[in-house]
Amino acid sequence: AQKITQTQPGMFVQEKEAVTLDCTYDTSDPSYGLFWYKQPSSGEMIFLIYQGSYDQQNATEGRYSLNFQKARKSANLVISASQLGDSAMYFCAMRDLQGGSEKLVFGKGTKLTVNP
Amino acid sequence: NAGVTQTPKFRILKIGQSMTLQCTQDMNHNYMYWYRQDPGMGLKLIYYSVGAGITDKGEVPNGYNVSRSTTEDFPLRLELAAPSQTSVYFCASSYPEAQDQPQHFGDGTRLSIL
Repeated sequence: AQKITQTQPGMFVQEKEAVTLDCTYDTSDPSYGLFWYKQPSSGEMIFLIYQGSYDQQNATEGRYSLNFQKARKSANLVISASQLGDSAMYFCAMRDLQGGSEKLVFGKGTKLTVNP
Repeated sequence: NAGVTQTPKFRILKIGQSMTLQCTQDMNHNYMYWYRQDPGMGLKLIYYSVGAGITDKGEVPNGYNVSRSTTEDFPLRLELAAPSQTSVYFCASSYPEAQDQPQHFGDGTRLSIL
């Protein structure tokens, strides 16, 4: 079964600094997709970035980038130049294609606090 | 551009009551999902649907039922509410033919059972 592990329950970063949120995954499928979502205190789930298992380059999306190390099965999210509005829960998720359907398996999340 | 709409946003139920959480999407997505999020946890899949008339169980289906009569709507029903079902419920939809496209989430329904 697929599994996502986020080992950092909470992280703190100073405003304008970069921060890395860890995510490791476990799967036996050669084809998979990894997603990061942001959940602010208001509760909605906001899609940030996607990395496909066959993508040759690390995904980037504005201040978000994904440090994808396939051999180590890690997909860490890097947020550059942190802003106060980045304070939120961050979830790593994997697309599960087993059984001919598409589901997302989520990690437990990391709570990021950006300090002024 | 509504996306995924969930109603109600908040609800308090008494033990044993029943209710339906509504979810509708206007993106013509085939796939729809229901997740629950318990405090301090990630999302767990309750049920999902790959198209009208087709539903299947996820990781935590006990105590819930779903139906999918149209592409747009995917209601979740709680028949006999129990305190363990106190949670935040998210509905999502996706277009799986494009693998890099994310699931789109509604804003959630916060449900308390007392």
